[in-house]
Amino acid sequence: SQQGEEDPQALSIQEGENATMNCSYKTSINNLQWYRQNSGRGLVHLILIRSNEREKHSGRLRVTLDTSKKSSSLLITASRAADTASYFCATEKIGTDKLIFGTGTRLQVFP
Amino acid sequence: DAGVIQSPRHEVTEMGQEVTLRCKPISGHDYLFWYRQTMMRGLELLIYFNNNVPIDDSGMPEDRFSAKMPNASFSTLKIQPSEPRDSAVYFCASSWSEAGGELFFGEGSRLTVL
Repeated sequence: SQQGEEDPQALSIQEGENATMNCSYKTSINNLQWYRQNSGRGLVHLILIRSNEREKHSGRLRVTLDTSKKSSSLLITASRAADTASYFCATEKIGTDKLIFGTGTRLQVFP
Repeated sequence: DAGVIQSPRHEVTEMGQEVTLRCKPISGHDYLFWYRQTMMRGLELLIYFNNNVPIDDSGMPEDRFSAKMPNASFSTLKIQPSEPRDSAVYFCASSWSEAGGELFFGEGSRLTVL
């Protein structure tokens, strides 16, 4: 069964706008990760945030984590057409080495 | 490094046939994961290995599925006999325990069972 649910399922924006994707999960975690998948390709790791962290930045990416609400958000600032892809959150449950993926958000950025 | 290498990239077979998918993880990585991706069920973890030993195969759907990792540089996922509902993209991913959990994915093997 999937650990995470993403919201929205699909998002369409114009270049230059910000894109925000949310992830909710069910159990206590070691860390939460975000991945990107271009159509027909494998997943690529974007950023990892540990359970004792609240916010993390990497370039145009900003990730927040609220363990009390069991939720995370990924913000992509100043989006580009090349950001068009599916984005997945993944959680590593405490006591395991398993990474369980959410349902994903399909992001379309129009030039 | 060439990354995680999977073969074949595409496989079309008929129901009842045996299918073998192959994976070469990144050298030095001590974890290997097999995932399956479908539109209906998303990304499902099938099985993962640590130092070539299967740790959790609770995601393997049926006895028709089996996975092996005979050495640190090679793993196989076998489906025998295959069924149309096995049609999916199968991903292999590897990671290094010291790196904190980031997975490196292959490009996937797209399986179509007719």
